[in-house]
Amino acid sequence: DTGVSQDPRHKITKRGQNVTFRCDPISEHNRLYWYRQTLGQGPEFLTYFQNEAQLEKSRLLSDRFSAERPKGSFSTLEIQRTEQGDSAMYLCASSKRGAAGELFFGEGSRLTVL
Amino acid sequence: GDSVTQMEGPVTLSEEAFLTINCTYTATGYPSLFWYVQYPGEGLQLLLKATKADDKGSNKGFEATYRKETTSFHLEKGSVQVSDSAVYFCALSEVGNEKLTFGTGTRLTIIP
Repeated sequence: DTGVSQDPRHKITKRGQNVTFRCDPISEHNRLYWYRQTLGQGPEFLTYFQNEAQLEKSRLLSDRFSAERPKGSFSTLEIQRTEQGDSAMYLCASSKRGAAGELFFGEGSRLTVL
Repeated sequence: GDSVTQMEGPVTLSEEAFLTINCTYTATGYPSLFWYVQYPGEGLQLLLKATKADDKGSNKGFEATYRKETTSFHLEKGSVQVSDSAVYFCALSEVGNEKLTFGTGTRLTIIP
């Protein structure tokens, strides 16, 4: 039984560089979510997909952020021109249709922007 | 907008003590309520949920009751174990909305 996997687990980059995170959800789950978590805070919603369609985006997702789920399976989250304020844990989660709120989370991808 | 307020931590208890972690919420409608737990080195996991007023969610000896009149969903356990040491997050989602709104989390440490 494979859960949600995220790659890379840790990324250190310099300000202004682009980074991309990948998420592989549980195979039978059609919904996929991205959240961001900073130290001492709870996860904050960024965006979600149903199959390949991106159905909602948070205002937290600035123009420098883009997420895709091209074939309704894995997803990528790209951050362009990173800023120090982007340093956070980026969490991916998936769920089945009809199970609202019942998310299965990956272990996260930690981004440090120097 | 929706928000969740959690009891601030960290909380340290002795093994077999009674646990309460307070959670209150603000929502425009009638949300579903959740407790998630994050054990050290692991991803967030759903612990329990309740979808309507007076529902009680329970799992692994933990319980929480959806109280609409006090807009609360406090987490309780009668006798905690060292293995319960983790960070606990209260969360809500509005009906028809896929987004979860989380509280800030409460770190719980159980001492043998």
